[in-house]
Amino acid sequence: EADIYQTPRYLVIGTGKKITLECSQTMGHDKMYWYQQDPGMELHLIHYSYGVNSTEKGDLSSESTVSRIRTEHFPLTLESARPSHTSQYLCASRSSGNTIYFGEGSWLTVV
Amino acid sequence: GIQVEQSPPDLILQEGANSTLRCNFSDSVNNLQWFHQNPWGQLINLFYIPSGTKQNGRLSATTVATERYSLLYISSSQTTDSGVYFCAGQMDSSYKLIFGSGTRLLVRP
Repeated sequence: EADIYQTPRYLVIGTGKKITLECSQTMGHDKMYWYQQDPGMELHLIHYSYGVNSTEKGDLSSESTVSRIRTEHFPLTLESARPSHTSQYLCASRSSGNTIYFGEGSWLTVV
Repeated sequence: GIQVEQSPPDLILQEGANSTLRCNFSDSVNNLQWFHQNPWGQLINLFYIPSGTKQNGRLSATTVATERYSLLYISSSQTTDSGVYFCAGQMDSSYKLIFGSGTRLLVRP
């Protein structure tokens, strides 16, 4: 199994709060991804990174931002959370052999 | 953009039955992969299969890239196979992985 970790797993916060979802991998993968998924629905790419200091927006418009200062770390930040941000956020990384590995996900509820 | 269609959208099986899940792409894709999402939301990579056939226990997958489809076979299904199965692929010039809408499988004891 891949070593990719997400914290927190579950988070309930109030509207207007700033939050950061953490994602770390210990495999040295350059390419990392953030997906957003509503329960039972398809995954939507919101951010990806080719490597350190490289980030791109995905296909689904998102008010979140990401940074990639270190290879192993790809955090996602929401400056002011809203109920529409309630969802599951999935972080993934890609091996040199192109296999994609996902973390366990972060379930965010904004009340 | 590229479209990924999965069928059937929902599937109910009796334990022990076999099934075939299909994934069709509207355009050429690279790096096709199959995933299983368990009831807790975690996605597990089942196969990296850009072409050809692979087998892992009761599961096998076949991709025919020239015809833009991939199949996932589940034999002797078990209740633990329940969940959502996603296929995903990427376009030639991008590292973005595009997911299908999934097949929701329920295996009854």
